[in-house]
Amino acid sequence: GDSVTQMEGPVTLSEEAFLTINCTYTATGYPSLFWYVQYPGEGLQLLLKATKADDKGSNKGFEATYRKETTSFHLEKGSVQVSDSAVYFCALSATGNTGKLIFGQGTTLQVKP
Amino acid sequence: GAGVSQSPSNKVTEKGKDVELRCDPISGHTALYWYRQRLGQGLEFLIYFQGNSAPDKSGLPSDRFSAERTGESVSTLTIQRTQQEDSAVYLCASSPRGRSTEAFFGQGTRLTVV
Repeated sequence: GDSVTQMEGPVTLSEEAFLTINCTYTATGYPSLFWYVQYPGEGLQLLLKATKADDKGSNKGFEATYRKETTSFHLEKGSVQVSDSAVYFCALSATGNTGKLIFGQGTTLQVKP
Repeated sequence: GAGVSQSPSNKVTEKGKDVELRCDPISGHTALYWYRQRLGQGLEFLIYFQGNSAPDKSGLPSDRFSAERTGESVSTLTIQRTQQEDSAVYLCASSPRGRSTEAFFGQGTRLTVV
């Protein structure tokens, strides 16, 4: 079945460092891809999305490009801030008409001043 | 309401008791999801409702778990004969119809089975 695999955390970076969180997926069709973020003490919220191959989603300085050839949707940010410390989840909207969201295991990011 | 509302926010129950968790989705959202998040873990899919279609129950871990939704409104997740391994945060989300649309999450219900 459809699935999402993320790099294991935690990821610890210094402020202004470059961030990459890897995400790969398995799907039989053409899913939509998402990154959700969970800040400490808050609920999950959408960070960005891409609905078709080669689309780039972006928000708050984060970017991810839908790569069909490598079945990947890696999250990147050029310069992280302490306020980016959170848990990041990669997700796909399952193929067919169901729209079921399938999540990866999450990657904890800790940014130190 | 303005967002997805879940109740209660916290629930402590004794092993073997039944519990009901409630989710009020955003008005007009046809899709509703339940997930389970154990401490330090990812989101485990439980069940998915889409409009009047038959729900996708493929994620329910055992027959002790069940969920209902009346039309496109409130949903209830029921866990019978709770076990300690059921302790987790149960998250509900809703989204407009369409597989590329954003899911909006509630704050979750933290269930502790003692």
